[in-house]
Amino acid sequence: EVQLVQSGAEVKKPGESLKISCKGSGYSFTSYWIGWVRQMPGKGLEWMGIIYPGDSDTRYSPSFQGQVTISADKSISTAYLQWSSLKASDTAMYYCVRNGFDYWGQGTLVTVSS
Amino acid sequence: SYELTQPPSVSVSPGQTARITCSGDALPKQYAYWYQQKPGQAPVLVIYKDSERPSGIPERFSGSSSGTTVTLTISGVQAEDEADYYCQSADSSGTVVFGGGTKLTVL
Repeated sequence: EVQLVQSGAEVKKPGESLKISCKGSGYSFTSYWIGWVRQMPGKGLEWMGIIYPGDSDTRYSPSFQGQVTISADKSISTAYLQWSSLKASDTAMYYCVRNGFDYWGQGTLVTVSS
Repeated sequence: SYELTQPPSVSVSPGQTARITCSGDALPKQYAYWYQQKPGQAPVLVIYKDSERPSGIPERFSGSSSGTTVTLTISGVQAEDEADYYCQSADSSGTVVFGGGTKLTVL
């Protein structure tokens, strides 16, 4: 069974760093791109970027280029989304999704508040 | 930047047919995907490549494409279909784009 399991909810302060994860199982992790999607409270879905774990080729949506870093560790079938300095406006639910968009993680809620 | 345009809301009575449109200039050249999202849940793929239905998705969900508009049709709407629906495609450079979402209300 294909699964994407994300790390748990986070509460952070502005300026702090954060790395959330998405672990794939039940398929060849290195053969499918993994994307990240943001959903701010009460809002729609926004595409952030995508990574190919096989060679770490990464593409960012222009809106998120320079704001976040997407990475992957194929040895443990895990993709990451990280921030170096969080802002209150980063408060959102973040989903990982396998390319083909058929399998989604359960989401990680990130709350940034002083 | 490239945009996909959806109506903010659609209302339909149970048993009727709901049609949700999504418009974008690149849709004639890029596939469209549709997702259903219920409150507190992750999105679920209901249509891929314009008109293909994933396994496990009821037959009442269908997709079609005509020019710069794609349409999600839900025939014989049920109360459980009340949700937000998002279209998704890509621009000419391949960057993924989502529509703004449509709230389907079952009266």
